Amino acid sequence: DGGITQSPKYLFRKEGQNVTLSCEQNLNHDAMYWYRQDPGQGLRLIYYSQIVNDFQKGDIAEGYSVSREKKESFPLTVTSAQKNPTAFYLCASIDGDSNQPQHFGDGTRLSIL
Amino acid sequence: EDQVTQSPEALRLQEGESSSLNCSYTVSGLRGLFWYRQDPGKGPEFLFTLYSAGEEKEKERLKATLTKKESFLHITAPKPEDSATYLCAVSYGGSQGNLIFGKGTKLSVKP
Repeated sequence: DGGITQSPKYLFRKEGQNVTLSCEQNLNHDAMYWYRQDPGQGLRLIYYSQIVNDFQKGDIAEGYSVSREKKESFPLTVTSAQKNPTAFYLCASIDGDSNQPQHFGDGTRLSIL
Repeated sequence: EDQVTQSPEALRLQEGESSSLNCSYTVSGLRGLFWYRQDPGKGPEFLFTLYSAGEEKEKERLKATLTKKESFLHITAPKPEDSATYLCAVSYGGSQGNLIFGKGTKLSVKP
């Protein structure tokens, strides 16, 4: 079945450490997105990419970085500069333009050790 | 300011007790309104897309409607398995589009 796979499901970060969250899709979608979800808040956009080797900052990009070397993969790195990284991170992709719904993975929960 | 507001924040129903969830929006140039269901520890699961006022979509016990200012998700005779958080998202604006998510309504259905 086609879909979006996020790994790991749970991740722990130590002080000063960078961690990378994986997102892989086999839907052949061009555009991919990373969101952060905190309790009581709507999903907030971190980064998005509409094509390989190109990506744009979202509303809360500070302390995060991404790459898009392959169409299927859009990893997110949470750097040590992100002082409040504890959250649920969701990756999504879309077939076509923004008139279409986004398809989501099952998320990665990141916590601080 | 472009906004999407969902109400209520939480809703408790008895099994079989029908109700509605609300998603109100203030954006320019609506491109589409999306409803999702999210279970704890999972990603949002797509339910419906609505594109223009007057449009309606149905799936099992759920029916989504759209006006120029808001959307309703009607739940008819809910079952405990309908318990989840329901998210609304609005796509609007120019060619690239923008997407705003509401904070969600947490629905609990008791047997």
